[in-house]
Amino acid sequence: EVQLVESGGGLVQPGGSLRLSCAASGFTFSSFWMYWVRRVPGKGLVWVSRINGDGTTTTYADSVKGRFSISRDNAKNTLYLQMDSLRAEDTAVYYCSRVDFGVLPRYWGQGTLVTVSS
Amino acid sequence: DIVMTQSPESLAVSLGERATINCKSSQSVLYSSNNKNYLAWYQQKPGQPPKLLIYWASTRESGVPDRFSGSGSGTDFTLTISSLQAEDVAVYYCQQYYNIPQFTFGPGTKVDI
Repeated sequence: EVQLVESGGGLVQPGGSLRLSCAASGFTFSSFWMYWVRRVPGKGLVWVSRINGDGTTTTYADSVKGRFSISRDNAKNTLYLQMDSLRAEDTAVYYCSRVDFGVLPRYWGQGTLVTVSS
Repeated sequence: DIVMTQSPESLAVSLGERATINCKSSQSVLYSSNNKNYLAWYQQKPGQPPKLLIYWASTRESGVPDRFSGSGSGTDFTLTISSLQAEDVAVYYCQQYYNIPQFTFGPGTKVDI
């Protein structure tokens, strides 16, 4: 059974940093692209970042480019999202998702809440 | 970005009745080389992650009840729940994954009884 479990969310002040983790199990982690997607209050679901199976290719939404960094440790079956220079508009529930057919976010974790506020 | 719109914003349906949700994309999500529509439908309940129901516009995900069906092509799509059950109360989103990595979701349709 595919399982994705996010952690690392919390309350942080504007300008602060957080690192999210996503522990994967039930599949060959290194064989799949992975996404981070966030659910922004009042704005719905928004793609944040993606990474390929060996971690050599990454892409970011314009809204987070230069502030967020996606990475993975295939030995630990774990996906990461380093979030720096956080802003109030980054407040959201963050989900990791396994990508199937190379394009479709098929399996999702339960999400972790990030709140950016002073 | 491809903009996704949905209608209605919300609907109330009696138990056992049909629910129909429409989704429209600002440009075609039909990939001509494989004749597949890069369109998915998700169900999300409070406190839960999105659950994939339908992909390639009409392929039902494993384990999803057959009362859920998807149809359409190009820019216009429909999710139909043929006989609404109490556990179907949720928000439903369409999503295009044609324009990768900039996949986009519709604003959601809330289904109530």
